[in-house]
Amino acid sequence: NAGVTQTPKFRILKIGQSMTLQCTQDMNHNYMYWYRQDPGMGLKLIYYSVGAGITDKGEVPNGYNVSRSTTEDFPLRLELAAPSQTSVYFCASSYSAGSEQYFGPGTRLTVT
Amino acid sequence: AQSVTQPDIHITVSEGASLELRCNYSYGATPYLFWYVQSPGQGLQLLLKYFSGDTLVQGIKGFEAEFKRSQSSFNLRKPSVHWSDAAEYFCAVGAVDSNYQLIWGAGTKLIIKP
Repeated sequence: NAGVTQTPKFRILKIGQSMTLQCTQDMNHNYMYWYRQDPGMGLKLIYYSVGAGITDKGEVPNGYNVSRSTTEDFPLRLELAAPSQTSVYFCASSYSAGSEQYFGPGTRLTVT
Repeated sequence: AQSVTQPDIHITVSEGASLELRCNYSYGATPYLFWYVQSPGQGLQLLLKYFSGDTLVQGIKGFEAEFKRSQSSFNLRKPSVHWSDAAEYFCAVGAVDSNYQLIWGAGTKLIIKP
């Protein structure tokens, strides 16, 4: 049972480039989340989804887009990367809104 | 708006000593409270959570936390730390009226002295 998987683990982007961070969970969870973690700042919610076809903005959605075409996958798209998007990105999933969130190992992204 | 404060950025504890990590929250009603642990280079793992009922909550790895409504606190404790407890610890708050979206504290890094 793999849980939540994220690819890639590391990525360096140039300013203005685009990329997609992949997230897959095999626990049949309805809820999925994307967070960014900056040093000394805790986690900030970017987007979340309550089921296939349903997504909503979190606290810091600007510069990002998501889609949820299947229960398993929740990719995060960065368009026109900026240095402010340098961060560690975590995907998580949960069975329901208030239940335990299971986290992936993270993607460390640097934009230069 | 909800907020979570972890006043200690770093805490250093000797192996075998007791531990208390502080978490204070700001919210009008009783929130849902969580403690997660993040080992270096890893994702986060749930230690324990409080939804309702008994205010002393037991978690994994020998941790416990006590919800104190009067102090708006949810401090994490362990009677005797092990070197493997060195990690970063995050407190988080969720609420029904925010669709349980979690607000996270900035984290406390635990350093264990041999």
